[in-house]
Amino acid sequence: DGGITQSPKYLFRKEGQNVTLSCEQNLNHDAMYWYRQDPGQGLRLIYYSQIVNDFQKGDIAEGYSVSREKKESFPLTVTSAQKNPTAFYLCASSNRDSLNYTFGSGTRLTVV
Amino acid sequence: AQSVTQLGSHVSVSEGALVLLRCNYSSSVPPYLFWYVQYPNQGLQLLLKYTSAATLVKGINGFEAEFKKSETSFHLTKPSAHMSDAAEYFCAVSVTGGGNKLTFGTGTQLKVEL
Repeated sequence: DGGITQSPKYLFRKEGQNVTLSCEQNLNHDAMYWYRQDPGQGLRLIYYSQIVNDFQKGDIAEGYSVSREKKESFPLTVTSAQKNPTAFYLCASSNRDSLNYTFGSGTRLTVV
Repeated sequence: AQSVTQLGSHVSVSEGALVLLRCNYSSSVPPYLFWYVQYPNQGLQLLLKYTSAATLVKGINGFEAEFKKSETSFHLTKPSAHMSDAAEYFCAVSVTGGGNKLTFGTGTQLKVEL
């Protein structure tokens, strides 16, 4: 079955360490997105990519980095520059007409 | 830029009662509108979407929403709440040429009581 896989589901890191969250899709979608979810704030866009080897900053890109070397993969790195990284991270993908989005099951990152 | 406002961060209804979750949007171009549901520690599941066809949109699990351009609204309703409807609901908007990205509201937590 086609879908999006995010791994790991839970992640713990020490403050000051970089960490990379994985997102893989087998839907043949061109576009991929990373959202951050905090209680009471909804989902906020971190980065998105509409095509391989190209990506754009979203609303809260500071402290994060991404790459899009393959159509299927869009990993997110949370760097030590991110002041408050503890959150639930959701990856999504969409087809070209942007009317069909698929979401992964999320990664909960806790920084201690 | 487009935006979405969800009125009421928490809504509580009795089982069997009408569910009404409010969503107002702002967009300078015709929008696409979506409602998603999220259960704890899970991703988002699409309930329904408006794509400029019929203004009354029927979705899964008995939910529907009506696009009202004059009121810039896209409220979600269900005639009779079930305990399994307890979850968080998000309204979202995207526009053509807007980078294909979804902009979300802050969510409404629905509680269903016996």
